[in-house]
Amino acid sequence: SQQGEEDPQALSIQEGENATMNCSYKTSINNLQWYRQNSGRGLVHLILIRSNEREKHSGRLRVTLDTSKKSSSLLITASRAADTASYFCATDYVAGNKLTFGGGTRVLVKP
Amino acid sequence: KAGVTQTPRYLIKTRGQQVTLSCSPISGHRSVSWYQQTPGQGLQFLFEYFSETQRNKGNFPGRFSGRQFSNSRSEMNVSTLELGDSALYLCASSLTTSGRETQYFGPGTRLLVL
Repeated sequence: SQQGEEDPQALSIQEGENATMNCSYKTSINNLQWYRQNSGRGLVHLILIRSNEREKHSGRLRVTLDTSKKSSSLLITASRAADTASYFCATDYVAGNKLTFGGGTRVLVKP
Repeated sequence: KAGVTQTPRYLIKTRGQQVTLSCSPISGHRSVSWYQQTPGQGLQFLFEYFSETQRNKGNFPGRFSGRQFSNSRSEMNVSTLELGDSALYLCASSLTTSGRETQYFGPGTRLLVL
């Protein structure tokens, strides 16, 4: 399977702390995307990073991409209770023509 | 712009029945993709439609089918429902190709098969 893998599967932190989650994938990609899902609802797009980019920022979010290690990380700084959600990485493989989602990381931010 | 809408939001069916789910993409978006999400299997790609043509298909049995209309609205149909079809069904739209750019997801249809 080409599905990406995310770790950790679950993360529990205090409000104000940073949260970091990782995504690994198998083969060459065009881009990698991160999405958030709140409790069984639709997914919300967070960031898209292309294969020739190494880092992108959006507000309190920072995404890195290391194509040599086939991995990406999502950092949420100064977390808030509202950041409690599941976070998914999705890869656009060069050999494919659709997004492939990882298993997700469940993040709990305690007030 | 209005977001992606899905109807119905909740559905209860019994085994053997069939079901049709509807998705209206963001205005101007021509690609619609469907996903099935279950606790055990995660998010799995069902199929993608672009300009009324199925462009890509996941590994699901033929009981799962879909179509897209000229206004880009899409429907998916599941025939002869099984208990294992209970899931959250998500559709997503994008301007062109599903993988190459951001996908915008609808709120999903939660299907329960009894």
